[in-house]
Amino acid sequence: NAGVTQTPKFQVLKTGQSMTLQCAQDMNHNSMYWYRQDPGMGLRLIYYSASEGTTDKGEVPNGYNVSRLNKREFSLRLESAAPSQTSVYFCASPTGLSSGNTIYFGEGSWLTVV
Amino acid sequence: KNEVEQSPQNLTAQEGEFITINCSYSVGISALHWLQQHPGGGIVSLFMLSSGKKKHGRLIATINIQEKHSSLHITASHPRDSAVYICAVIRLGNQFYFGTGTSLTVIP
Repeated sequence: NAGVTQTPKFQVLKTGQSMTLQCAQDMNHNSMYWYRQDPGMGLRLIYYSASEGTTDKGEVPNGYNVSRLNKREFSLRLESAAPSQTSVYFCASPTGLSSGNTIYFGEGSWLTVV
Repeated sequence: KNEVEQSPQNLTAQEGEFITINCSYSVGISALHWLQQHPGGGIVSLFMLSSGKKKHGRLIATINIQEKHSSLHITASHPRDSAVYICAVIRLGNQFYFGTGTSLTVIP
């Protein structure tokens, strides 16, 4: 049981390049989230998906797009990377209210944009 | 202003000391999590609280819903407790809001 798996772990991009962060969960959860973590700031929500087929903007969506490909997979795309997008990205998936609201995180993706 | 405030931001303790990390929040919540993040990044949930107190080994978490405050206590601290501890609140709609974290270093 892997929980939440995200790839890649590390990536260096040049300004203007594009890339996609992949996330998959094997817990049959409805909700999946993408966060970014920057020094001195809490985890900030980029986009979330409350269920398969739906996506919504979070607190800091600019410069990102997402796809909820199926119930398992939720990808985050940077179309034209900027140095301000240098950050650590976490995919997460909560169990939901009826199951105690535990939240599971991926291991994180360290992205540097030069 | 962040909806979730933690204190202190940084904490250094000697092995064996009793440690308290505080979390205050300003919004209505359905529950609160204490998370642990080790160097290298992985984040795990230690506790989920909606009232009262929970204990797991040397870790104790309490919450006072009326005062909008929670504390995480570590008894007999050990160097392996060194990590960042993050408070997260859950609002309606299953939305999580996170504090900026408390970086704990326990010195042998």
